Amino acid sequence: EDKVVQSPLSLVVHEGDTVTLNCSYEVTNFRSLLWYKQEKKAPTFLFMLTSSGIEKKSGRLSSILDKKELFSILNITATQTGDSAVYLCAAADAGKSTFGDGTTLTVKP
Amino acid sequence: GAGVSQSPRYKVAKRGQDVALRCDPISGHVSLFWYQQALGQGPEFLTYFQNEAQLDKSGLPSDRFFAERPEGSVSTLKIQRTQQEDSAVYLCASSSRAWGADTQYFGPGTRLTVL
Repeated sequence: EDKVVQSPLSLVVHEGDTVTLNCSYEVTNFRSLLWYKQEKKAPTFLFMLTSSGIEKKSGRLSSILDKKELFSILNITATQTGDSAVYLCAAADAGKSTFGDGTTLTVKP
Repeated sequence: GAGVSQSPRYKVAKRGQDVALRCDPISGHVSLFWYQQALGQGPEFLTYFQNEAQLDKSGLPSDRFFAERPEGSVSTLKIQRTQQEDSAVYLCASSSRAWGADTQYFGPGTRLTVL
């Protein structure tokens, strides 16, 4: 059975801190790893990763995939209160995506 | 349209009632997905359409759940004889690619409460 596990389940930091969110996966016919941000509504897309070792960056957020170890991380530097959300990781085959249960990040002022 | 829309946004049903949830994907998007999200959990895959063809329905939890996309655009998820365990947010997502491992754009969801 396909499985995605995220850690930690929750995290509380102060503004300016750097955080690392983890995602491990076991998916048959894996094609890509996706990160989403969910703030009390629909998940919004952050990154899609298909190749190992190539970092993707968007502002203060970055992510990398290790297809050998079946692992991805999402880094957020200089966190802001607006980064508070649930961060979801999903591993996709050619059709469906299997999601983890998310990491709840709370950034305090 | 500008994004994926879903209706209704909220639905309260009495146990045993049938419900129908609608999804309007982004215009021209080939792939459409339905997910069920329980409180505090990630979305769980229900079913996947490529145009009008339902290519994967392995996530539908029982034969009370049925989805269709007859013209390859709007989709409806129907739940018959609703049970309390069906209470969840039902998310629809669409993608421009003909295969799923790409960016999916999510709708706001329908929150179903079964009393």
